[in-house]
Amino acid sequence: DAKTTQPTSMDCAEGRAANLPCNHSTISGNEYVYWYRQIHSQGPQYIIHGLKNNETNEMASLIITEDRKSSTLILPHATLRDTAVYYCIVSASGGYNKLIFGAGTRLAVHP
Amino acid sequence: DTGVSQNPRHKITKRGQNVTFRCDPISEHNRLYWYRQTLGQGPEFLTYFQNEAQLEKSRLLSDRFSAERPKGSFSTLEIQRTEQGDSAMYLCASSLQGYEQYFGPGTRLTVT
Repeated sequence: DAKTTQPTSMDCAEGRAANLPCNHSTISGNEYVYWYRQIHSQGPQYIIHGLKNNETNEMASLIITEDRKSSTLILPHATLRDTAVYYCIVSASGGYNKLIFGAGTRLAVHP
Repeated sequence: DTGVSQNPRHKITKRGQNVTFRCDPISEHNRLYWYRQTLGQGPEFLTYFQNEAQLEKSRLLSDRFSAERPKGSFSTLEIQRTEQGDSAMYLCASSLQGYEQYFGPGTRLTVT
């Protein structure tokens, strides 16, 4: 599975969009991009995944660049409850095999 | 609540004692995973099962660690002769041939 690089921490004002970047320059053609988050003292929670096209669900949007070497997770209207560590994971098999987590981005949403 | 439960939620034990954790996955999920997470780090994969078969074990899983999933439903993770370095959050997750894993709340182990 390809390695990912994420900023260590980010801040966002409540109600504004939070844009979390991820670099995965060695991604291969059959690998998906997954995002999970972990709120303090809880287990990780699946957010969204994508292969080539941009994806949107009730939690977030995922924008993948055309060359697939980077992606951005967008939380359109961040709330205090979105304060968490966000993990970007690249995997060919995703949820079916093991997930390799990095250190993630610690997002702090401020009032 | 994802539907994955773990017990106990907290365990304090003395060095050298054995401990066992239990994970109950979402009932129809055929894959079950164990991860370990230390403070400030992302979760690290330990092992996973498809039904009752253990398909992969990480090198992190020393011979003091053993995991079972006897009937393809719940799973147990046992640590023998605990060491202070075993102090961590132990996370269980399950999936059904899909794209996402559903994680339980974890068991926090403290070895004194």
